[in-house]
Amino acid sequence: KAGVTQTPRYLIKTRGQQVTLSCSPISGHRSVSWYQQTPGQGLQFLFEYFSETQRNKGNFPGRFSGRQFSNSRSEMNVSTLELGDSALYLCASSQDRFNSPLHFGNGTRLTVT
Amino acid sequence: DQQVKQNSPSLSVQEGRISILNCDYTNSMFDYFLWYKKYPAEGPTFLISISSIKDKNEDGRFTVFLNKSAKHLSLHIVPSQPGDSAVYFCAASDLGNTGKLIFGQGTTLQVKP
Repeated sequence: KAGVTQTPRYLIKTRGQQVTLSCSPISGHRSVSWYQQTPGQGLQFLFEYFSETQRNKGNFPGRFSGRQFSNSRSEMNVSTLELGDSALYLCASSQDRFNSPLHFGNGTRLTVT
Repeated sequence: DQQVKQNSPSLSVQEGRISILNCDYTNSMFDYFLWYKKYPAEGPTFLISISSIKDKNEDGRFTVFLNKSAKHLSLHIVPSQPGDSAVYFCAASDLGNTGKLIFGQGTTLQVKP
């Protein structure tokens, strides 16, 4: 089975721009979660989608948003980019069953200049 | 408020010996715990998990122990191998929200040949 696929791997954007990141979950996985990793804050939960609905949300400003499509693929969007948004953005998927762990992609490295 | 803590930023162990990585949590609602291994520029790789109905779970060289009364879990790697050198994260969630993991800050394990 193919793993979680994230595109692009690297992105450089300028302050004030917006960005869209894409994630394809493992086949059959219906839950998709997004995380931000920074050196200062570690791995932080952004949001989770299941069956095209946001099921959980972390403590991030409204500039961070996401969506999930009927094929379980997901996108996240960050608008009005700030320097502090520079991070590794990780997508994870799971089978959404009891004791079903998250499996992560290799992330998108976003640099905001 | 850091709900999951890994108090040792780094650990160095000789090849063939046991590596013990520790993790403490404060939220008594957590009932599902996981360990992930991460190499630079890659996403976290799932290693092993345990639910709160157990106090031990084994998978090959990896064993996770859970002490609910102390709100403490540990990962034992026996025997340690140089390829185990990586950053290890513990994570926790409640079973109703397995897509929303709270991560510790990570412990860098170095296994010396």
